[in-house]
Amino acid sequence: KQEVTQIPAALSVPEGENLVLNCSFTDSAIYNLQWFRQDPGKGLTSLLLIQSSQREQTSGRLNASLDKSSGRSTLYIAASQPGDSATYLCAALFSDYKLSFGAGTTVTVRA
Amino acid sequence: AAGVIQSPRHLIKEKRETATLKCYPIPRHDTVYWYQQGPGQDPQFLISFYEKMQSDKGSIPDRFSAQQFSDYHSELNMSSLELGDSALYFCASSSRLAGGLERNEQFFGPGTRLTVL
Repeated sequence: KQEVTQIPAALSVPEGENLVLNCSFTDSAIYNLQWFRQDPGKGLTSLLLIQSSQREQTSGRLNASLDKSSGRSTLYIAASQPGDSATYLCAALFSDYKLSFGAGTTVTVRA
Repeated sequence: AAGVIQSPRHLIKEKRETATLKCYPIPRHDTVYWYQQGPGQDPQFLISFYEKMQSDKGSIPDRFSAQQFSDYHSELNMSSLELGDSALYFCASSSRLAGGLERNEQFFGPGTRLTVL
């Protein structure tokens, strides 16, 4: 079964600290992996997409890495700000066009 | 840039009633997806359409049906509503022609919050 796991479920850091969010998947035959941000009760905002042939993607303070062989992806957020507080979900695209989501990591950045 | 539009944003229904959710994909996107996110849960794939034909099917109850119309908008029809159907329903769209599976990036709408009383 193709599963996506995110640990920890919640994370609290002081402002300015770098954030490291982990995502693991059971099937290395993924086509791509997307990271999303979700604010409480709101929609999903796509942050980064990493194709299976890529090792990392960067956008501003965000950097995501992908290691297919170990079944892991990591989202780094540099110099965190209170506005970064949200739930971050990773989602993997396996052998079809439907995304399989992790349960998310809820981040709180303390001012 | 145009995003995925969903309507209504909020919907309150009684048990056993029917609900219709609408989705308008990003222009020139050929694929629409529906996901259900229950309280405190991750989004679960329901169904998708590619060029107006059903493409993939996930954990969609038989009480639900969906279709994609000639203008590419999609509707999710939900009948005999149950309390457990209360959730956030997302529509997403993508362009498969843009580069196949590896480049397939799904863009999500703001969701429709359905509450069944």
